[in-house]
Amino acid sequence: DQQVKQNSPSLSVQEGRISILNCDYTNSMFDYFLWYKKYPAEGPTFLISISSIKDKNEDGRFTVFLNKSAKHLSLHIVPSQPGDSAVYFCAASANPGRRALTFGSGTRLQVQP
Amino acid sequence: DADVTQTPRNRITKTGKRIMLECSQTKGHDRMYWYRQDPGLGLRLIYYSFDVKDINKGEISDGYSVSRQAQAKFSLSLESAIPNQTALYFCATSDTTTGQNEKLFFGSGTQLSVL
Repeated sequence: DQQVKQNSPSLSVQEGRISILNCDYTNSMFDYFLWYKKYPAEGPTFLISISSIKDKNEDGRFTVFLNKSAKHLSLHIVPSQPGDSAVYFCAASANPGRRALTFGSGTRLQVQP
Repeated sequence: DADVTQTPRNRITKTGKRIMLECSQTKGHDRMYWYRQDPGLGLRLIYYSFDVKDINKGEISDGYSVSRQAQAKFSLSLESAIPNQTALYFCATSDTTTGQNEKLFFGSGTQLSVL
């Protein structure tokens, strides 16, 4: 049973508009969440993270929102750019220090020029 | 030069063969991981190592073994490869000294095909 779920395999957005990528989790022990971006033929790279003590974290065009009661987080990209076209993975961690990350299945974002 | 290097980049092998995937890092990180990526399933953890003497099974360790030969090297072995082990394999590292254990640095991946 997947503990981290990304229910949208793909998303297409026009350049300049907002991209919203969603992620749900089932394990209430998760307390740290991350987003990774992956381009073809490359490994994933860290994008942004959020601790469960916060409900929002912003870094430039990227903002992650966390709703603990709903066990839901989302990544907002504003404005979207063609270079943002990639696969985005949501990941979660419980008890940082002794556990490895659990990843979602990924969402492929296509930003149309 | 890449900080996390995986070899080979691509490998085709036959069912029943033993195969080793290698990972080396120049980042000086203490933790190393092996993940596999399958379409629709995302990245799943195979094994992880917090240091040379601390190796842990991940969610899908059956059919795999690992060796942490040194802090910088972490290899993954398939003792007897089977077709459903066809996947894209990623090695990753992280550094506990920064307090950012979860910030992983990935290699470029090894595409393994088992015929």
